[in-house]
Amino acid sequence: EDQVTQSPEALRLQEGESSSLNCSYTVSGLRGLFWYRQDPGKGPEFLFTLYSAGEEKEKERLKATLTKKESFLHITAPKPEDSATYLCAVQAGNNNDMRFGAGTRLTVKP
Amino acid sequence: NAGVTQTPKFQVLKTGQSMTLQCAQDMNHNSMYWYRQDPGMGLRLIYYSASEGTTDKGEVPNGYNVSRLNKREFSLRLESAAPSQTSVYFCASSEEGFGNTIYFGEGSWLTVV
Repeated sequence: EDQVTQSPEALRLQEGESSSLNCSYTVSGLRGLFWYRQDPGKGPEFLFTLYSAGEEKEKERLKATLTKKESFLHITAPKPEDSATYLCAVQAGNNNDMRFGAGTRLTVKP
Repeated sequence: NAGVTQTPKFQVLKTGQSMTLQCAQDMNHNSMYWYRQDPGMGLRLIYYSASEGTTDKGEVPNGYNVSRLNKREFSLRLESAAPSQTSVYFCASSEEGFGNTIYFGEGSWLTVV
């Protein structure tokens, strides 16, 4: 069965303190790995899609990378407005839907 | 630019009552989905519709029914609500096929007492 595990569950950073969030997965036939940001009381907002090992995508202070077993979301010099829950999801095999991890709740203190 | 629109935003039901969550998308997507989100469990797929006229069960379909009314609309029905169905429900849509991004609505908060 496809599994997606995110760590840590929660992460507290000081403004400017860079760190990484992890998403490990066990699936057969990865079609895509997706990162979303979710603010309290809102729906998930799409950030990145990665399709193959070695691929990297960047957006402002965020950089997503992918290996054959895991993905990292690197946050460089975070700001308080980066505080949110970050969700990882995979699409694999013949399934059109996504399997989500439980998320990492990021808090950035000024 | 509405994207995916869900109604209602909030609902309180008594055990045994029925209700329908409505969803519409204006992105001309073929595929639509209903997920539920519970603390510590992530988003779990209830039902999806790969294209108009088709629906399939997801990971947690028990207690729910769906209707793909047309290409734009996909509704989720709770026939006899139970406290275990207290959750946040998200409708989503995507282009048909693999590797396409799924776009989410703002969510519907449902409490069953």
